[in-house]
Amino acid sequence: AQKVTQAQTEISVVEKEDVTLDCVYETRDTTYYLFWYKQPPSGELVFLIRRNSFDEQNEISGRYSWNFQKSTSSFNFTITASQVVDSAVYFCALSEAAGTASKLTFGTGTRLQVTL
Amino acid sequence: DAGVTQSPTHLIKTRGQQVTLRCSPKSGHDTVSWYQQALGQGPQFIFQYYEEEERQRGNFPDRFSGHQFPNYSSELNVNALLLGDSALYLCASSLEGRGPGELFFGEGSRLTVL
Repeated sequence: AQKVTQAQTEISVVEKEDVTLDCVYETRDTTYYLFWYKQPPSGELVFLIRRNSFDEQNEISGRYSWNFQKSTSSFNFTITASQVVDSAVYFCALSEAAGTASKLTFGTGTRLQVTL
Repeated sequence: DAGVTQSPTHLIKTRGQQVTLRCSPKSGHDTVSWYQQALGQGPQFIFQYYEEEERQRGNFPDRFSGHQFPNYSSELNVNALLLGDSALYLCASSLEGRGPGELFFGEGSRLTVL
């Protein structure tokens, strides 16, 4: 069975601080995909990134960066120079590569609060 | 370009009643998935519809059923409501063949069961 653990329930930072959200996953599949989604107060989840299990290159997109380490089954997310608009709940998720494209297993989320 | 729309946004039901939630996918999307998100938890996969068929199902009882229409819109039905069914129900759409997991979510229908 697949499992995603986000041990940090809530993180509070002051604007412009860097923050890292941790994600640890479990799967028996050799091929799988990892994701991060953002859930603002309005409720809809917003896709941020997808990474397949064969691509361990770190990725940077503006202030966002992701560190995928297969050896430790982790897929951590860093926000550099955080802003108030980054305040949201962030979910890490995992899916099989085969079969349905939509069955994601989500973690319990990390609530990020960025204050001035 | 309209995103994923869901209705109703909020509703209150009593135990034993039945509820129908509706979803219109993002324009051009042909696959609809439903997720249940209890308070303080991550979303849990209920089922996915593609070409009007249920393609995969999560660990939910038969009280949860769905339908997809020829225009790709979808309904989620829950019968014999229990208090534990209180949650945010999220609809997500995607385009078959775009690769796994790039889902577009609606803002959800918040169901309260009293």
